[in-house]
Amino acid sequence: QQKVQQSPESLIVPEGGMASLNCTSSDRNVDYFWWYRQHSGKSPKMLMSIFSNGEKEEGRFTVHLNKASLHTSLHIRDSQPSDSALYLCAARKGYNKLTFGKGTVLLVSP
Amino acid sequence: NTKITQSPRYLILGRANKSLECEQHLGHNAMYWYKQSAEKPPELMFLYNLKQLIRNETVPSRFIPECPDSSKLLLHISAVDPEDSAVYFCASSQDHDNSGNTLYFGEGSRLIVV
Repeated sequence: QQKVQQSPESLIVPEGGMASLNCTSSDRNVDYFWWYRQHSGKSPKMLMSIFSNGEKEEGRFTVHLNKASLHTSLHIRDSQPSDSALYLCAARKGYNKLTFGKGTVLLVSP
Repeated sequence: NTKITQSPRYLILGRANKSLECEQHLGHNAMYWYKQSAEKPPELMFLYNLKQLIRNETVPSRFIPECPDSSKLLLHISAVDPEDSAVYFCASSQDHDNSGNTLYFGEGSRLIVV
């Protein structure tokens, strides 16, 4: 069964610092990865998606993907208190259902 | 997010029956019900595509989905159990069989079983 592992489970970074979150799939046939952000009491919102090897940047957020190792990482530079949330990595293999990792709780301290 | 609306937003139930409602205004063909328990990621319950039930995960029979049209989804719950306390998210995507389609979530219905 496809599994998505995220690390660390929780992370504290100072305001203005860099947050780095990791995600690895145990299924070698995974095609697509997404990162979702879920603020407390809210619904998950898609932050970024990445389907090809390499890097993708949108504002303060950068996503990397290494398909050979099935590893993706999300980097948030100049972290703000409003970035404090649960970050969920999700992966899909072909037409299978989207599988979520357990998430990383990020706390940005003012 | 007003593009996927859910009601009610909060629900406190004993062993009564109740229905959750969802409507999406994104023109998507696929609609989903997810359950998110405390400290856990969302877990798929049901998937519909163009009103047809495509996936039915291992869900207790007291949960019955209904898709009256491709933009609306219902979840009928009968005789709830304390383990049913969770947030139920409706979600949608353009299609169910395009693996690159992004999933969009509604704001959720929080069910508290007393």
